[in-house]
Amino acid sequence: GESVGLHLPTLSVQEGDNSIINCAYSNSASDYFIWYKQESGKGPQFIIDIRSNMDKRQGQRVTVLLNKTVKHLSLQIAATQPGDSAVYFCAEIPNRGQGNLIFGKGTKLSVKP
Amino acid sequence: DTEVTQTPKHLVMGMTNKKSLKCEQHMGHRAMYWYKQKAKKPPELMFVYSYEKLSINESVPSRFSPECPNSSLLNLHLHALQPEDSALYLCASRSKDLSTDTQYFGPGTRLTVL
Repeated sequence: GESVGLHLPTLSVQEGDNSIINCAYSNSASDYFIWYKQESGKGPQFIIDIRSNMDKRQGQRVTVLLNKTVKHLSLQIAATQPGDSAVYFCAEIPNRGQGNLIFGKGTKLSVKP
Repeated sequence: DTEVTQTPKHLVMGMTNKKSLKCEQHMGHRAMYWYKQKAKKPPELMFVYSYEKLSINESVPSRFSPECPNSSLLNLHLHALQPEDSALYLCASRSKDLSTDTQYFGPGTRLTVL
């Protein structure tokens, strides 16, 4: 079936640098795309979402970019901090489902002090 | 408030035991979900409840039995589980309006089947 995938399984950055986590998706009929952060032993935590009719959305220190032409989603984290270390999942909500999420494989972000 | 609570936090059970996982949200969300997550993998959908009715069962074995007593509660009854069922079980509820459609997750129940 169609699924959401990630280019980079691990990402290591220096504290204070900007981080970019990428995701490629294959289902062009999804309404929403979401980024989650999951710390060890915890449930996924909502970071930011973007609707399919948008190409950019900004939050606090985070920006999500959606490029529907190449089916690419990215999460940018500004001034990365040690507390940002976690696994990041992208997910999509198909427009004909029950709101259930289809997750990508995940990227582990490690922030070096 | 975007809190989803789950109990217990950890559960160890034998293959002949019967146990239940509980999930609760008071955000007025009318769709709730059970996901299973193995180590270093993304969550996988198990069940979807919409307006207290089961709307999706992702071919989950009958040893997992979901229940939605009311719009705030979701249970997952476990019976005769196998060691390979050991995983993190996550509950989520859906928030949907004109500008957003997302799910908020609970902290999960770490299940170990001996």
